[in-house]
Amino acid sequence: DTEVTQTPKHLVMGMTNKKSLKCEQHMGHRAMYWYKQKAKKPPELMFVYSYEKLSINESVPSRFSPECPNSSLLNLHLHALQPEDSALYLCASSQGYRGLSNQPQHFGDGTRLSIL
Amino acid sequence: AQSVTQLGSHVSVSEGALVLLRCNYSSSVPPYLFWYVQYPNQGLQLLLKYTTGATLVKGINGFEAEFKKSETSFHLTKPSAHMSDAAEYFCAVSGYRTGGGADGLTFGKGTHLIIQP
Repeated sequence: DTEVTQTPKHLVMGMTNKKSLKCEQHMGHRAMYWYKQKAKKPPELMFVYSYEKLSINESVPSRFSPECPNSSLLNLHLHALQPEDSALYLCASSQGYRGLSNQPQHFGDGTRLSIL
Repeated sequence: AQSVTQLGSHVSVSEGALVLLRCNYSSSVPPYLFWYVQYPNQGLQLLLKYTTGATLVKGINGFEAEFKKSETSFHLTKPSAHMSDAAEYFCAVSGYRTGGGADGLTFGKGTHLIIQP
């Protein structure tokens, strides 16, 4: 069982739709991450939140909008996506002590997103 | 910038044989290195990590890895392969950012481990 919970597990949406992905953890972690993983490729970092503040945006298009309402919850809002955005979206969390990036990240099982 | 290179996109071993998955890193500062496993339709599970201290690191499911600074390597091994080890394995490095703080992982391209009966 994973300690990082992502919902929904699968999502199919049209290019004009607005949807959100949700990620939740109750391990007391203060860093949370979004990754995108295309088929047969490694995950690629999209965003990092540290202490509920966006600290890293890897030049992600604005049609992806992250939100961190509290230390346990991370959302990814989607709008006007393109077919090439179809992928597995993974959320992760880590202890994220200030100044340290040696804490392992714990991953959820992901949301498989398909854009029609 | 930190990076990792995994040699061999596919590795096939017989059940009961030694598993060796290769990972080399590039880093201008002491790296933090990780091995993750991904089973089909699942997220990534941490196998083991190297941060500081002992260079031989033991992980879950009988896996271990040795950090060799002189060879810039962090190869993953398991003495005896089991059918359940068939999966995708990723080596990853965690970097430093100006001002410190949490950083994302940079992954190698992955190695698909096949276990022959």
